[in-house]
Amino acid sequence: EAGVAQSPRYKIIEKRQSVAFWCNPISGHATLYWYQQILGQGPKLLIQFQNNGVVDDSQLPKDRFSAERLKGVDSTLKIQPAKLEDSAVYLCASRTVSGGYNEQFFGPGTRLTVL
Amino acid sequence: LAKTTQPISMDSYEGQEVNITCSHNNIATNDYITWYQQFPSQGPRFIIQGYKTKVTNEVASLFIPADRKSSTLSLPRVSLSDTAVYYCLVGSRRGKLIFGQGTELSVKP
Repeated sequence: EAGVAQSPRYKIIEKRQSVAFWCNPISGHATLYWYQQILGQGPKLLIQFQNNGVVDDSQLPKDRFSAERLKGVDSTLKIQPAKLEDSAVYLCASRTVSGGYNEQFFGPGTRLTVL
Repeated sequence: LAKTTQPISMDSYEGQEVNITCSHNNIATNDYITWYQQFPSQGPRFIIQGYKTKVTNEVASLFIPADRKSSTLSLPRVSLSDTAVYYCLVGSRRGKLIFGQGTELSVKP
């Protein structure tokens, strides 16, 4: 079974520029998450989708971050404009709706450096 | 969501059993305890989940006392490849994951 795919793996931009990350979840997984992980900290949930609808975006800085999941499959996360403090790894995860365990499957992440 | 407390770091040697304890004094009745493992440059990976007593799978065991205010992740006979950060999370069975700082386990030869 293919895992969660993310691209790019690394991105370096200057502050005030824009950047977008792409995620392809595991086939059939209706729930998709975007997390931000700052160095030395645990991942922080930014947004959760159920199919193509937003379930939770309470911690998404909506003045600069946006995310969409068209057709309930792939998703993109955008930052515009980027700030220095946005330097982090952006993780995408997916999960089936059913299933007994709280098992989210994570992608390898995109490491963003804002200069 | 119940807050969890776990050691920032632990050291061990190959072949030893490692026990990582997590404190969650305010755990709610319907909360489950879930552990994730994260290697450098990778996303977290689910290890184990339990509600009470003991759960065992091919990777680890999870011990939960009757009061459920703490839990212990047990890794039998660790190897160098078990060097990772281990996160203890408490929440509803399929609910939101709130990650803390985790425990950085270093396994030495």
